[in-house]
Amino acid sequence: DGGITQSPKYLFRKEGQNVTLSCEQNLNHDAMYWYRQDPGQGLRLIYYSQIVNDFQKGDIAEGYSVSREKKESFPLTVTSAQKNPTAFYLCASSITPYLLAGDNNEQFFGPGTRLTVL
Amino acid sequence: LAKTTQPISMDSYEGQEVNITCSHNNIATNDYITWYQQFPSQGPRFIIQGYKTKVTNEVASLFIPADRKSSTLSLPRVSLSDTAVYYCLVGALLSNDYKLSFGAGTTVTVRA
Repeated sequence: DGGITQSPKYLFRKEGQNVTLSCEQNLNHDAMYWYRQDPGQGLRLIYYSQIVNDFQKGDIAEGYSVSREKKESFPLTVTSAQKNPTAFYLCASSITPYLLAGDNNEQFFGPGTRLTVL
Repeated sequence: LAKTTQPISMDSYEGQEVNITCSHNNIATNDYITWYQQFPSQGPRFIIQGYKTKVTNEVASLFIPADRKSSTLSLPRVSLSDTAVYYCLVGALLSNDYKLSFGAGTTVTVRA
């Protein structure tokens, strides 16, 4: 089955520890994204990557880091510098990062990782 | 970046049509309008996307007036399983300054 996977589904960490969230896709998509969702709120973009070995900051990149060494993988590290890391984290991918006339460039989302920092 | 405004919540009953209007007064020429559906503790799922006039697929229709300053997602004959949060996104070509984010969305509650 093609799709996008995130692991683990639930993650608990102590304050001050770095933690890495996994995101893998076998859809052969060039673009990948990380979002954060807080209760009752929409999704906010943390980082995105248009192609391997390239990534850009989104709206709320402070306290996070990413890498894109492989097309299918886009791990997110939540560092101790992130002031309020407890949230629901969603990874997504799309065929390309560009939206061309007549194309349907939907983002495919993973199931999410709920991170709780104690 | 075009800012979007949607109602916070809407209630409906099974079998009714639900219309959610999204305002995007400063939509740019190249911006597309996309709608997603999200169930609790799941990732959003794409519903429909359009640029102008009307787009229809197997689950919804999207109506976009000529000025494109608003758009309406229409869900025909909703069922209980359509209870979810619906997000309207407006954006275009991804660039090195990509700042497309989802707003708070509209919580649609369908009752029996």
